[in-house]
Amino acid sequence: AQSVTQLDSHVSVSEGTPVLLRCNYSSSYSPSLFWYVQHPNKGLQLLLKYTSAATLVKGINGFEAEFKKSETSFHLTKPSAHMSDAAEYFCVVILSGGYQKVTFGTGTKLQVIP
Amino acid sequence: NAGVTQTPKFRILKIGQSMTLQCTQDMNHNYMYWYRQDPGMGLKLIYYSVGAGITDKGEVPNGYNVSRSTTEDFPLRLELAAPSQTSVYFCASSYSRTESFFGQGTRLTVV
Repeated sequence: AQSVTQLDSHVSVSEGTPVLLRCNYSSSYSPSLFWYVQHPNKGLQLLLKYTSAATLVKGINGFEAEFKKSETSFHLTKPSAHMSDAAEYFCVVILSGGYQKVTFGTGTKLQVIP
Repeated sequence: NAGVTQTPKFRILKIGQSMTLQCTQDMNHNYMYWYRQDPGMGLKLIYYSVGAGITDKGEVPNGYNVSRSTTEDFPLRLELAAPSQTSVYFCASSYSRTESFFGQGTRLTVV
């Protein structure tokens, strides 16, 4: 079985300070991992993805994430938060196999304080 | 490319009514999905399809039906709407084990 745990439902940071959104996964097989962002009343947009290449993955808007197999983590970071980063972020795991099983985390709402 | 297009964007249904949420993609993706999003719950998979003519249940299929007669289209049918089906519905598509592309969502209220 596979699962995704986003450890914080809400994160609040000041503009210009670092962002850390935490994600842990469990999977019996090598997973593909993704971070999506959802702005209010919008669809989901892909931020970045890990698919067994480099463990440090760079995405759009200055975000990056590091795949750590030993810790089963895929935390999302950004050095300096911008007001436009305020949104909800979802960690997603995809398990390979006979079909593509997609599991979403419950989301982390990021608040950026001016 | 339009990507993934969902219609309608908003809908209010009365209990017991039926409706079809439309989803079409123009990227020739083989995988398509329907999710529902409830506050604090993330996205839950309702149904998915790995190709035309092939569909299967996800985590929360009860009360819904799907069909996939073409690669492009993946409609979601609600037969007897219930208040528990009030949610935001997202259709997505992908090519094999890659990222999914999402539609803009359908906000459904059942009263």
